[in-house]
Amino acid sequence: GQQVMQIPQYQHVQEGEDFTTYCNSSTTLSNIQWYKQRPGGHPVFLIQLVKSGEVKKQKRLTFQFGEAKKNSSLHITATQTTDVGTYFCAGYSSASKIIFGSGTRLSIRP
Amino acid sequence: DVKVTQSSRYLVKRTGEKVFLECVQDMDHENMFWYRQDPGLGLRLIYFSYDVKMKEKGDIPEGYSVSREKKERFSLILESASTNQTSMYLCASSRSGATDTQYFGPGTRLTVL
Repeated sequence: GQQVMQIPQYQHVQEGEDFTTYCNSSTTLSNIQWYKQRPGGHPVFLIQLVKSGEVKKQKRLTFQFGEAKKNSSLHITATQTTDVGTYFCAGYSSASKIIFGSGTRLSIRP
Repeated sequence: DVKVTQSSRYLVKRTGEKVFLECVQDMDHENMFWYRQDPGLGLRLIYFSYDVKMKEKGDIPEGYSVSREKKERFSLILESASTNQTSMYLCASSRSGATDTQYFGPGTRLTVL
């Protein structure tokens, strides 16, 4: 069946360092969403990418959707302690079925 | 703001008990979802509903059932709880499109002893 793989599972960085998480799908996606879950919280929507090769920015966060619409990435520049949490991608197949990646947990050394 | 509430934050049940997890949303959303979240496995879809009295199986429906008698309420039922159903259960809702943003509830951490 369709799978969405997300790597790395964990990332521990020094505050101020950059961070990137990657999602790869076994099939072409119609769109992809990114969510953030703070420790003890619930997932909160960050952004949606729809077009092939699309790049969107939210302050220090840059989101990319691959040309083949099978992969995506989230890059955070100069991490801050407020970035701590688990980042999930969620891909939609042509059948409009959602599949979440396993998440990347980001921790930060002040 | 969209508000999705779940009946309990923490729940402890015994093996074999029937368990009801309730979810209510206040934004007139058409779609509602139930997920379970386990370390290293992300969010796995159990059941979803695109309309009242309608339900569709997700990726891991075994051992679960759902009920949606009213638009705002979506219930997850464990007919006979087992220890491998110990998990965090998250409810979500979205407006109407199949790929609309999902809004999550706070989650229910269920422990089955």
